[in-house]
Amino acid sequence: GESVGLHLPTLSVQEGDNSIINCAYSNSASDYFIWYKQESGKGPQFIIDIRSNMDKRQGQRVTVLLNKTVKHLSLQIAATQPGDSAVYFCAENISNSGYALNFGKGTSLLVTP
Amino acid sequence: DTAVSQTPKYLVTQMGNDKSIKCEQNLGHDTMYWYKQDSKKFLKIMFSYNNKELIINETVPNRFSPKSPDKAHLNLHINSLELGDSAVYFCASSHTGISYTEAFFGQGTRLTVV
Repeated sequence: GESVGLHLPTLSVQEGDNSIINCAYSNSASDYFIWYKQESGKGPQFIIDIRSNMDKRQGQRVTVLLNKTVKHLSLQIAATQPGDSAVYFCAENISNSGYALNFGKGTSLLVTP
Repeated sequence: DTAVSQTPKYLVTQMGNDKSIKCEQNLGHDTMYWYKQDSKKFLKIMFSYNNKELIINETVPNRFSPKSPDKAHLNLHINSLELGDSAVYFCASSHTGISYTEAFFGQGTRLTVV
């Protein structure tokens, strides 16, 4: 069935290092992917998105890579900061859903000083 | 200036009760959504509403019903609450179609059924 999954449930990195969070998806018809950050007690916050006609998109300190051949998505965070500690979700659009999203399970990122 | 606001933030109620969660967005978006986040942080779409029309309804019990009085509001009504309904419920909104935008989420409503 359609699903989005994350390879690692938790990731611990040192402040200043780069972080990479990976995500696999199974629906080859998905044309839109998005990363959200969720801090404790808050709603998901948009980080960056990418459409299926692209393989890379960069934002401020973040880069999303899309590999459609192996149905893999990754989020790279440069110079990780303590404020980056949160749960990160990848999501794909659900076909014929008005852009409702199918979320992966989430990766908890812990940044240590 | 809150873009998507939900009330209440916390809701504790007894089994069998009927409750509502309100959601408002001031972004002028044409589509609103309700998501449920369980204890394992898994987020799942429940409903989406576009121009007062239900677009998607996942395998959600009919005890749950969305009500949209206008484009800026999508309230969630839950009848005969059960213990398993305990979760965090998130409202979201976005533009769809040609002027698509990412979904903006509210701060969530933590529902506890006792």
